Amino acid sequence: AQKVTQAQTEISVVEKEDVTLDCVYETRDTTYYLFWYKQPPSGELVFLIRRNSFDEQNEISGRYSWNFQKSTSSFNFTITASQVVDSAVYFCALRVWSEKLVFGKGTKLTVNP
Amino acid sequence: SAVISQKPSRDICQRGTSLTIQCQVDSQVTMMFWYRQQPGQSLTLIATANQGSEATYESGFVIDKFPISRPNLTFSTLTVSNMSPEDSSIYLCSFRLADTYEQYFGPGTRLTVT
Repeated sequence: AQKVTQAQTEISVVEKEDVTLDCVYETRDTTYYLFWYKQPPSGELVFLIRRNSFDEQNEISGRYSWNFQKSTSSFNFTITASQVVDSAVYFCALRVWSEKLVFGKGTKLTVNP
Repeated sequence: SAVISQKPSRDICQRGTSLTIQCQVDSQVTMMFWYRQQPGQSLTLIATANQGSEATYESGFVIDKFPISRPNLTFSTLTVSNMSPEDSSIYLCSFRLADTYEQYFGPGTRLTVT
């Protein structure tokens, strides 16, 4: 069975600090996809990134970066120079062949001015 | 990416009534999904809506309570039947584009049952 663990329930930082959100996953499948979504207070789920199991390249998009390590089954998300607008709940998710997305419990990030 | 919309965006309903949520995508998609997010919780898959066949329900969800229709490749509805306060949640539809592996979500329907 698939499982996603986001051990950090809530994180609070001050603006301009860097913050890393942890995601650990479990699956026996060799082909899988990992996702990060952002859910601001308005409630919509915003797609941030998808990573394939066979592509371990780290990715950077502006202030966002993702570190995928198969050896530790982790797919961590770092926000550099955080801003108040980054305040949201962030979900990590895993999908295997069944097309079903399995979500972690989410990490609530609060960025204080 | 495609544009996905849901109606209604929110509703307050009486116990025992039913509400039908509509999901419209501006592209043809093979698979659509319905998720529930209870207050302060993560997302849970209710069912996969397949065009031309019965929806596939996850454990703990049944067709009598959450009937789903998928009349074509751009539209689906989810009905929450005989509602109780425990059904108060955000309901989100989702789809995956055929040519990518990204999965996108609608804006959600925030349901409150009194």
